[in-house]
Amino acid sequence: QKEVEQNSGPLSVPEGAIASLNCTYSDRGSQSFFWYRQYSGKSPELIMFIYSNGDKEDGRFTAQLNKASQYVSLLIRDSQPSDSATYLCAVTNNQGGKLIFGQGTELSVKP
Amino acid sequence: DTGVSQDPRHKITKRGQNVTFRCDPISEHNRLYWYRQTLGQGPEFLTYFQNEAQLEKSRLLSDRFSAERPKGSFSTLEIQRTEQGDSAMYLCASSLGPAGGQNEQFFGPGTRLTVL
Repeated sequence: QKEVEQNSGPLSVPEGAIASLNCTYSDRGSQSFFWYRQYSGKSPELIMFIYSNGDKEDGRFTAQLNKASQYVSLLIRDSQPSDSATYLCAVTNNQGGKLIFGQGTELSVKP
Repeated sequence: DTGVSQDPRHKITKRGQNVTFRCDPISEHNRLYWYRQTLGQGPEFLTYFQNEAQLEKSRLLSDRFSAERPKGSFSTLEIQRTEQGDSAMYLCASSLGPAGGQNEQFFGPGTRLTVL
């Protein structure tokens, strides 16, 4: 079992729709959870982080964390073609050290 | 530009040669991380420093790989006797560390290594 799992996609949504990206993790000691966006040929860009159970909203993005289910998700409202990218889920433990990444989910937003 | 910088951005080398990459973190960040990413995969952790101390190394980091951060500022990653399997994007990230929150890490542009 991989430590962090994501569906590789591609996930295709029409412009203006909600994109839902999911991630599960195996280490119950994980404390911090991050979503990165990565455009083709570019490096990862931090877009959201969440540490507590529940929802965290930032503009069109909402991160959701359920530690009991070991599940974290990212919702993108009003999806735009510019949101087309690979979204990487990453987790770390309370030592604040290395990030463990999933393989990423490719999102395609169709005009 | 006050973000993480990496040099070179691209490196092509022949198998068996040594290569060295440099990373300059965000100035107030005391943690510096190296990751490696291959096509279709998420970044894999290699090693990280807090100031000049190397706190963790991945078992993926063979003896051919060495990293330093001698003055707690910039870092270098050296690969000796490169192999074709070393071809990847090498990413550097930095963070404030736990004292600065929950350790949000910010990535540089990466160095793409091609071993022929």
